[in-house]
This record gives sequence, structure tokens and C-alpha cells, in this order.
Amino acid sequence: DQQVKQNSPSLSVQEGRISILNCDYTNSMFDYFLWYKKYPAEGPTFLISISSIKDKNEDGRFTVFLNKSAKHLSLHIVPSQPGDSAVYFCAANYNFNKFYFGSGTKLNVKP
Amino acid sequence: SAVISQKPSRDICQRGTSLTIQCQVDSQVTMMFWYRQQPGQSLTLIATANQGSEATYESGFVIDKFPISRPNLTFSTLTVSNMSPEDSSIYLCSVASGSADTQYFGPGTRLTVL
Repeated sequence: DQQVKQNSPSLSVQEGRISILNCDYTNSMFDYFLWYKKYPAEGPTFLISISSIKDKNEDGRFTVFLNKSAKHLSLHIVPSQPGDSAVYFCAANYNFNKFYFGSGTKLNVKP
Repeated sequence: SAVISQKPSRDICQRGTSLTIQCQVDSQVTMMFWYRQQPGQSLTLIATANQGSEATYESGFVIDKFPISRPNLTFSTLTVSNMSPEDSSIYLCSVASGSADTQYFGPGTRLTVL
């Protein structure tokens, strides 16, 4: 049972525009959410996180939004840069136990 | 953050053989994790390896197929036993941050089983 879902396997965006990556989850017990970025031949690297007590967390060009009622989170990248081209995974856990990952969205930022 | 290395980075193996993947961390950590990422799939947790105790396996993964060692606080191995083509995946080790609110990943081992 996939508790964290990323329904868009790929996304293409023009450089300078906004990239919006989406993630849905089913388990209402999740209280912590993360986004990871993965380049080819590298492991995922932590990007940004949000606690369930917040609905927004911002770090430079990256903002994560959490909508608990919809069990939905999104990652906004503004402005998008070619170096942002990678696979993005969302993840969720509760009480800092097991992490559940989505299947990833491949972002391509075109120059 | 922790610096994690894995060996080998990739391998091509024959059906029925076994491969041991090594994971080395540059600092002492309590919890280490082994994940599998099959093509087009999410990262799936195989097991949690704590030093001094047996690994805890997730549903669908068994010790006979994926034996794990954790001899000290900076090192772990995962063996993929009696491999079949369905074991072709990227295998990743990770460690929890000090506050356990995130995990740091190694570069992964890309395994192809023929």
C-alpha cells in the first residue's frame, strides 16, 4: 500500500518560471514531511521539511506547502534553474519512525 | 550532515549468486537503514540496522534473502543472496540525523542481475 504518492512522474519547466511538485499521502498520522532531490548516480539529498503544525516552510527559492485537510503537500521552486533538474522525492513519517517515500517526479528545467 | 560511501557503486551479477554491499559512514551513528529503489518505484525500506542487535526487517523482506551485518557504529553490509533478475535495483544505505528528523543517504549501488 503506497502511503505517499507522487502522481506526476515528470515535469518540464522553463528556466526562471515556477516549478510546482505535488505529493499526496493517505496516513493522517504522518506528522513530518520532507523533500529530497536526487541527481543521477547520487543518493537523495535532503532539501526541505515541514512539520504538521505548520502549513508553510520557506528556504530561499524553495517553499513547501502543507494542506493537512487534503493530505497534500507541494514544493515550489522559484525561480527554477537548470541546476534544479533532478528527481524529487517527497517523504513522510510520524514520530520520527519509518520514512515513507513517494515514487519521485523528474523535473527538467529548460534553459 | 554525515558523509556516506558505498561499495560497489554498481555491479552486474549472474542469477543465483550473492553480492555484499558495504556502507561506510564518517561518524558514529546509532541507526542505519537499507533501502531498495526498483526502476520507476519509490524508495522502499528493507531493514533497520542497529549496532549490537539484529536488524529489523520490513514486511516482505527476510534475513535469509538480505542478511545484514552491523559490526560497529560506522559500518554496515547488506548481502543480496541467491539473486534473480527481480533483484535488479538501486540499493541505498542511509543514516538518521542526530535529531532523527531526516536521513542522509549514500550514493547507492546499482545492481543488475542477468
